[in-house]
Amino acid sequence: KAGVTQTPRYLIKTRGQQVTLSCSPISGHRSVSWYQQTPGQGLQFLFEYFSETQRNKGNFPGRFSGRQFSNSRSEMNVSTLELGDSALYLCASSFGGTSDTQYFGPGTRLTVL
Amino acid sequence: GENVEQHPSTLSVQEGDSAVIKCTYSDSASNYFPWYKQELGKGPQLIIDIRSNVGEKKDQRIAVTLNKTAKHFSLHITETQPEDSAVYFCAASTWEGYSTLTFGKGTMLLVSP
Repeated sequence: KAGVTQTPRYLIKTRGQQVTLSCSPISGHRSVSWYQQTPGQGLQFLFEYFSETQRNKGNFPGRFSGRQFSNSRSEMNVSTLELGDSALYLCASSFGGTSDTQYFGPGTRLTVL
Repeated sequence: GENVEQHPSTLSVQEGDSAVIKCTYSDSASNYFPWYKQELGKGPQLIIDIRSNVGEKKDQRIAVTLNKTAKHFSLHITETQPEDSAVYFCAASTWEGYSTLTFGKGTMLLVSP
């Protein structure tokens, strides 16, 4: 069974630009969660989508948004990039029920110059 | 919201020794506690998890214990090997119609040959 895939793996952007990251979940999984990982803040929850609906959102500014498609693939978008947005962005997929295991992808490394 | 504290932040052991990582959580309603291992350049990989109706779970050299009264859980690795060197994260989640993982800050484990 194929794992969670994320594209692209690396991105370099400049301040003020916007970026879109993509995540393909494990086949059969309907939930996709996004996390930001930085050395200072660790792993922080961004948002979770289940069957194309956002079920939960973390404490991030409105510049961070996401969506999920009918095939469960998900994208997240960051507009007006800031230097502090440089991070590893991870997505995780699961069946979406209580205590279901979340499986992580390899992440997208975003560098904002 | 949930808060997860993880200790120690770094842990150095000799090959063959045991390693113990401890986490505490704040939300008594949390019911799912996974542990992830993250190697350099990769996403977190689930190594073991425990649910609130179980006090201990073991998988070969890895075990996790949960004390719901004290709100803490621990990861035990026996007979450590150099390939166990990585960053380990604990997490906790509560089912509220969705399940969001709150992570500890991580423990860097270094196993010396």
